Amino acid sequence: DSGVTQTPKHLITATGQRVTLRCSPRSGDLSVYWYQQSLDQGLQFLIQYYNGEERAKGNILERFSAQQFPDLHSELNLSSLELGDSALYFCASSEKGLWDEQFFGPGTRLTVL
Amino acid sequence: QKEVEQDPGPLSVPEGAIVSLNCTYSNSAFQYFMWYRQYSRKGPELLMYTYSSGNKEDGRFTAQVDKSSKYISLFIRDSQPSDSATYLCAMRLNTGNQFYFGTGTSLTVIP
Repeated sequence: DSGVTQTPKHLITATGQRVTLRCSPRSGDLSVYWYQQSLDQGLQFLIQYYNGEERAKGNILERFSAQQFPDLHSELNLSSLELGDSALYFCASSEKGLWDEQFFGPGTRLTVL
Repeated sequence: QKEVEQDPGPLSVPEGAIVSLNCTYSNSAFQYFMWYRQYSRKGPELLMYTYSSGNKEDGRFTAQVDKSSKYISLFIRDSQPSDSATYLCAMRLNTGNQFYFGTGTSLTVIP
């Protein structure tokens, strides 16, 4: 167990809908990272937050947004969902914002029908 | 062309075999190279971490980097059924932090 928690574990929704994925980092970790993992694209970095501020941005679509709250938990919002958004979404955290020290959560499996 | 290429497999070997997992990359500026192991329904966990070229050994695992060929490998000796997982390579530049991941190779070790 990495200490990173993600909810929900599974999410099934329809095209056009909006969902929110939640991540609680390990105790003491200030940085949160979001990834999307699909069979054809592999693990794709979406966005990183450090102590509430956006630190780095990857291949995140405009329909997606994220934030990190004062208690350091983070939410990833996915809107106008498309079939191609079906994937595993992972959150990772690290203490000082160093990628080398990331610990991954168990993921949220999103299915868009 | 993807930054990092990895054969997805699946790879199936008998217990005790030596396993070789590989990634190639296109950006010669990559300096840090990682291997992650991902069990089914779990998040990736860091397995090996190497800097620049050369070999690094940790128990039954050896990571090898050949920067001249832009090729990295992970060798697993005396493979065990518990090694059955997906193995992802990752790499990053010397400057900046972003990781670039391969798509992963699925490995099954048969008892």
